[in-house]
Amino acid sequence: QKEVEQNSGPLSVPEGAIASLNCTYSDRGSQSFFWYRQYSGKSPELIMSIYSNGDKEDGRFTAQLNKASQYVSLLIRDSQPSDSATYLCAVHNTNAGKSTFGDGTTLTVKP
Amino acid sequence: GAVVSQHPSRVICKSGTSVKIECRSLDFQATTMFWYRQFPKQSLMLMATSNEGSKATYEQGVEKDKFLINHASLTLSTLTVTSAHPEDSSFYICSAFRQVSDTQYFGPGTRLTVL
Repeated sequence: QKEVEQNSGPLSVPEGAIASLNCTYSDRGSQSFFWYRQYSGKSPELIMSIYSNGDKEDGRFTAQLNKASQYVSLLIRDSQPSDSATYLCAVHNTNAGKSTFGDGTTLTVKP
Repeated sequence: GAVVSQHPSRVICKSGTSVKIECRSLDFQATTMFWYRQFPKQSLMLMATSNEGSKATYEQGVEKDKFLINHASLTLSTLTVTSAHPEDSSFYICSAFRQVSDTQYFGPGTRLTVL
């Protein structure tokens, strides 16, 4: 079992829809959680960080964290073709000094 | 967000030569930096963790004598691919770790092609 699991996709949604990306993790000591976006041929770019249970909103993006269920998600509202990319989930255990990335979910937003 | 630069962005070299890639954290000091490699349509693969003032920690299967890492200051880490071969052709990406927020910020990457 991988330490950070993501559906590989591809996930396809129509333009204007809500895209839901999910991530589960196994390390209960994880304290910090991140979503990165990686366009084809480019390096990952941080889009959201979340540290406590609940929702965190930033523009069209909402990150949701449930530590009891070891689950973190990213919702993208009003999806645009420019959101088409691979989304990486990352978790960090501060005490262990360790970050772990998922393999990513590829999202395609169709016009 | 924080800014991390990498140089060069693209390099083409002959087989057998060595290539040095620089990674700089421009707006914060990074005790720890990471080096990744990514082949087309594959996941990021962590190669090594670079710690300022100490030896790098390499992941299993990564040859430390082939991929030399030096983290000489709190803002600069370098990766040298020694005696490069065509199979070393890949996209090399560094990240700088910002301790206050547990966040990795990635550089733009270096695309290496070995002929």
